[in-house]
Amino acid sequence: AQSVSQHNHHVILSEAASLELGCNYSYGGTVNLFWYVQYPGQHLQLLLKYFSGDPLVKGIKGFEAEFIKSKFSFNLRKPSVQWSDTAEYFCAVNERRDDKIIFGKGTRLHILP
Amino acid sequence: GAVVSQHPSRVICKSGTSVKIECRSLDFQATTMFWYRQFPKQSLMLMATSNEGSKATYEQGVEKDKFLINHASLTLSTLTVTSAHPEDSSFYICSAGGVTEAFFGQGTRLTVV
Repeated sequence: AQSVSQHNHHVILSEAASLELGCNYSYGGTVNLFWYVQYPGQHLQLLLKYFSGDPLVKGIKGFEAEFIKSKFSFNLRKPSVQWSDTAEYFCAVNERRDDKIIFGKGTRLHILP
Repeated sequence: GAVVSQHPSRVICKSGTSVKIECRSLDFQATTMFWYRQFPKQSLMLMATSNEGSKATYEQGVEKDKFLINHASLTLSTLTVTSAHPEDSSFYICSAGGVTEAFFGQGTRLTVV
């Protein structure tokens, strides 16, 4: 069965620091990859996704992620975080053959003002 | 974007009683919805796929008789936790929409006392 690993459970950064959240998945077949974000008190929402093409994906709010197939990784990055980026971030994977999305455990990001 | 509404957002019930959670797609029709469960500091675990007009498909290890799913219309899926016990206390989230962009409800925090 496929699985998704997020390396950091809780990250604390100061504003303007650079961010990288790790994500690895175990499935060897063709997959779609996602990062979701949940701001305090809000719904889970899509940050960015990779289906095919350029492995460097740009998302909303200045986030980007790079798909490295050889490493089964899809790390999330942002050059300079803001206080408003405080949220929980979930990496997720979907096998192309069905609609199920499998999530990582999430990383709680706390940005100090 | 499309909106998925989940109700209630919080519920406290006595052990042995049943609790129903509703998931509605507000501005689109969803033939398939998904139910997830999240324990503290754990991943969102897919419980079942809710199929409009037919039986739900449960993931391995999820008790069908305990977590009853009904998807009676294209905009409503319900999850009923029957004979709830304290170990059923968790955060339950539904989603709808295709793989290209799944939309999530705000979640239901169930506490069984």
